Amino acid sequence: DTEVTQTPKHLVMGMTNKKSLKCEQHMGHRAMYWYKQKAKKPPELMFVYSYEKLSINESVPSRFSPECPNSSLLNLHLHALQPEDSALYLCASSSSGHASYNEQFFGPGTRLTVL
Amino acid sequence: KQEVTQIPAALSVPEGENLVLNCSFTDSAIYNLQWFRQDPGKGLTSLLLIQSSQREQTSGRLNASLDKSSGRSTLYIAASQPGDSATYLCAAVNQAGTALIFGKGTTLSVSS
Repeated sequence: DTEVTQTPKHLVMGMTNKKSLKCEQHMGHRAMYWYKQKAKKPPELMFVYSYEKLSINESVPSRFSPECPNSSLLNLHLHALQPEDSALYLCASSSSGHASYNEQFFGPGTRLTVL
Repeated sequence: KQEVTQIPAALSVPEGENLVLNCSFTDSAIYNLQWFRQDPGKGLTSLLLIQSSQREQTSGRLNASLDKSSGRSTLYIAASQPGDSATYLCAAVNQAGTALIFGKGTTLSVSS
């Protein structure tokens, strides 16, 4: 299984809502990533989990809260978002999150719209 | 800080043509470079990964080269097809060796 899955595919939420994005992989990878991609822009790194521990937080606002319950699952909890947070949220995984870098595999993304 | 640039931003070619997409990076001390394809509104599909010790990788009609000394990588697509129409992104691993830094992409349109 060389697939990264993400749910939901689409999400519309108000600024006062609390929602979560889910990402799952069964490739035995030990590094998982969240990226944010605005329209016609490249993906920008948000968070990196390595061996289920948060290793990188790219100065992301606290209204985004990542969670890695186990080595196969990565969540992104959303609260009090702003309309400018509307974007495609991409999850990725790789064998390792350390300097012995390996190929990253991406999921299909969640299209988030904040009203 | 690593910066990745892709030229051209957009490219239109007729079916069957061979083409080259260019990617340049500012820090030659990269671990790897990865090429992706992205269809509109979709996720990224990995095409090729070139390790820092390699000079090129091939997969089907795709060939990617890496020249660390000049800070350049190219993606060669042979005998282009309308199904190749997509945005192609190159990404270099950041200085910490932990995550990807993306270029802005080249949007390719292949007409039949």
